[in-house]
Amino acid sequence: ILNVEQSPQSLHVQEGDSTNFTCSFPSSNFYALHWYRWETAKSPEALFVMTLNGDEKKKGRISATLNTKEGYSYLYIKGSQPEDSATYLCASPNFGNEKLTFGTGTRLTIIP
Amino acid sequence: DGGITQSPKYLFRKEGQNVTLSCEQNLNHDAMYWYRQDPGQGLRLIYYSQIVNDFQKGDIAEGYSVSREKKESFPLTVTSAQKNPTAFYLCASSMGVAPNYEQYFGPGTRLTVT
Repeated sequence: ILNVEQSPQSLHVQEGDSTNFTCSFPSSNFYALHWYRWETAKSPEALFVMTLNGDEKKKGRISATLNTKEGYSYLYIKGSQPEDSATYLCASPNFGNEKLTFGTGTRLTIIP
Repeated sequence: DGGITQSPKYLFRKEGQNVTLSCEQNLNHDAMYWYRQDPGQGLRLIYYSQIVNDFQKGDIAEGYSVSREKKESFPLTVTSAQKNPTAFYLCASSMGVAPNYEQYFGPGTRLTVT
């Protein structure tokens, strides 16, 4: 099983501050990297699917970068707002395998 | 309103009983998935289906069974053979099983077995 690891496990950030967290994955046989946001009492929602080394994607104040050679992806949130409070999951499938392996998530709490 | 529905939200069963969790999607997606979440662990894949009448075991299929008789529906049965059935179960779907397709998730079912 492919190991996908996320850090930190949890994070408290003051409203208005920017933050970032990490997803690491084995760099061999890379195919794609997914980021999902999971708010309490809601369904996980896809943020980004990234496939190319050096990819950078953005959605509003949230952006992500991908380094497939060293096996990591960063998720950045600029100017955190209370609605950013959620657990952020990353996932990556094995090459040639349809199955996604998920990390344990980073739980982000924005302090008003 | 397109999406995935799971029912019920909470389910309680006695040990030794089989229980079936419902998952329906109206997104016209070919692929559907069942995941299990336990505290401190990532989502783990139980079963997935690429197309009607076809399904594959995931990483933790023992004690579970599924069917895919219709494109829209992918019910999961938790059998009495599953040793630790109490967990949160999430259903998902995607356009295909290719790894570049994002997955769409339902709201989940929390199963408690006593």
